[in-house]
Amino acid sequence: AQSVTQLGSHVSVSEGALVLLRCNYSSSVPPYLFWYVQYPNQGLQLLLKYTSAATLVKGINGFEAEFKKSETSFHLTKPSAHMSDAAEYFCAVSKETSGSRLTFGEGTQLTVNP
Amino acid sequence: EAGVVQSPRYKIIEKKQPVAFWCNPISGHNTLYWYLQNLGQGPELLIRYENEEAVDDSQLPKDRFSAERLKGVDSTLKIQPAELGDSAVYLCASSYSQGVTGELFFGEGSRLTVL
Repeated sequence: AQSVTQLGSHVSVSEGALVLLRCNYSSSVPPYLFWYVQYPNQGLQLLLKYTSAATLVKGINGFEAEFKKSETSFHLTKPSAHMSDAAEYFCAVSKETSGSRLTFGEGTQLTVNP
Repeated sequence: EAGVVQSPRYKIIEKKQPVAFWCNPISGHNTLYWYLQNLGQGPELLIRYENEEAVDDSQLPKDRFSAERLKGVDSTLKIQPAELGDSAVYLCASSYSQGVTGELFFGEGSRLTVL
């Protein structure tokens, strides 16, 4: 069975600082990994996905993530945080690129301080 | 292009009452999902439809939950009777089954409070 663990339910950074949200996965088969973002009172939106092509994946809004098989990690980063990045971020894993059965982590709430 | 539309956005009911949620997916999306999101947790899949067929309902508590997707477009999720523990956000999502982008498009959710 696939699962993901997000380290840190709350992360707080200053505007302009590096954003690092951690995700580790467990999978018996090569996984497909996703990061979704949820703004308050809105649905989830796909940020980026890893589907066994390039290990460094670039997404929307300046976010990127690197797939590291040796560390079973897929951490999300952004060089410089913006106030508008404040949201909840979910890491998810699927056996299939279609994402037909996504397993989500518990989420990390990102706060950006002025 | 209109996104996934869900209604109602908020619903407050007393325990043992029935409740229903409606979802209209993005036009042309033949795969539809219902997810349950408890406070402070990630979404959990309840049921997935390919057109009008429920292809994955293993996590749906069938004693009180039911869902349907008539004509392979809109879908309804029903709870009867509701329990206190059902208070949560119910998310609907849709995607192309033949697509390989792994992108699910989510609605804004229906927040249920059971008193």
